Amino acid sequence: EAQVTQNPRYLITVTGKKLTVTCSQNMNHEYMSWYRQDPGLGLRQIYYSMNVEVTDKGDVPEGYKVSRKEKRNFPLILESPSPNQTSLYFCASSSSLTSGAYEQYFGPGTRLTVT
Amino acid sequence: AQSVAQPEDQVNVAEGNPLTVKCTYSVSGNPYLFWYVQYPNRGLQFLLKYITGDNLVKGSYGFEAEFNKSQTSFHLKKPSALVSDSALYFCAVRDRRNTNAGKSTFGDGTTLTVKP
Repeated sequence: EAQVTQNPRYLITVTGKKLTVTCSQNMNHEYMSWYRQDPGLGLRQIYYSMNVEVTDKGDVPEGYKVSRKEKRNFPLILESPSPNQTSLYFCASSSSLTSGAYEQYFGPGTRLTVT
Repeated sequence: AQSVAQPEDQVNVAEGNPLTVKCTYSVSGNPYLFWYVQYPNRGLQFLLKYITGDNLVKGSYGFEAEFNKSQTSFHLKKPSALVSDSALYFCAVRDRRNTNAGKSTFGDGTTLTVKP
């Protein structure tokens, strides 16, 4: 089954404790992206990757890191989480965006709480 | 910078009536436009997209959207609403220019409630 998976689905942590949210897709997609969803603010793009070893900032990259060493994986790293990073996080992927307009496939989300 | 506005936080319609969820956008180049739906405790699902050509786009579950370049709008419509259409709807835009190809901007979302 074609899908985007995220782990963990739920996470409660404390301020300053480094964490990684994993994202993996099995559709051989070149493009991957991370978003956060907050009430009243819609989805805001954190980082995206056009292909392996190519990443770029979205609208809200502060406090986050990403890497794209393999095509299927795109982990989101919070090196020193703070309470304002409490949010619902979504990973998404799609075919190459430079060759056309392809819809994104979203993972199930990761609900992160930072205390 | 590109942006998307969904002017209504909430839309309420009766089952069987037509529905419209509004979206306007701003982008420097020509846009790719998308609608996604989010059901409770789920990820987003793709509904439809505008790339080029016919301004009326048909998508999943009987939804359609009309692209209007002069009004920079891409409103989502359905002729006859179902209770099961109740969900959170997002409009999204992407610039066609390769320099901005990776940036994807979403609206704040509109909650659609269809009452029996």
